Amino acid sequence: AQTVTQSQPEMSVQEAETVTLSCTYDTSESDYYLFWYKQPPSRQMILVIRQEAYKQQNATENRFSVNFQKAAKSFSLKISDSQLGDAAMYFCAYNSGGYNKLIFGAGTRLAVHP
Amino acid sequence: DVKVTQSSRYLVKRTGEKVFLECVQDMDHENMFWYRQDPGLGLRLIYFSYDVKMKEKGDIPEGYSVSREKKERFSLILESASTNQTSMYLCASSLTGGGGYNEQFFGPGTRLTVL
Repeated sequence: AQTVTQSQPEMSVQEAETVTLSCTYDTSESDYYLFWYKQPPSRQMILVIRQEAYKQQNATENRFSVNFQKAAKSFSLKISDSQLGDAAMYFCAYNSGGYNKLIFGAGTRLAVHP
Repeated sequence: DVKVTQSSRYLVKRTGEKVFLECVQDMDHENMFWYRQDPGLGLRLIYFSYDVKMKEKGDIPEGYSVSREKKERFSLILESASTNQTSMYLCASSLTGGGGYNEQFFGPGTRLTVL
């Protein structure tokens, strides 16, 4: 069975600095998708970025980028120029298709300090 | 804008009560999901549905049932609530297909407390 591990329960960063959140996963499949979701305090979970496993190029969405290492089964999220609004729970998730079921990690709570 | 709504943000029930949590999406999505979110455990899938009247068990279905009579509505039922079902419940929906590409859209969550 697939598993997703986020080993950092909490992280903090200074405003305008860069932070990297870690995620590792375990799967025997070769084709799948990986996601980072953001859950702000008392607000709905939203998609931050997604990566297709067969694409070697790392996905980027404005200040958010990933470092996808397929052989190492690692999928980290880098947030550049951190802003106060980036403070949230961040979840890494795995999807191998089918009914689009997601397998989530335990989450990392990110604090952003002014 | 995709919208997923849940019937209550906060709910307090007593042990043994039957509890209904309702979720409605307005984007004609085929797939709908119910998760529970607990600190340190992330989100765990309870049940999902890929079509009207169709349902599949997720990873933690014990103590729960679901109903999907209309495409836009997916209900989670706690037949006899217990204190260990105190949690945050999240509903989500997505398009089908896409080989895993399609994102899930989430509701705001229902924080359920069972006393």
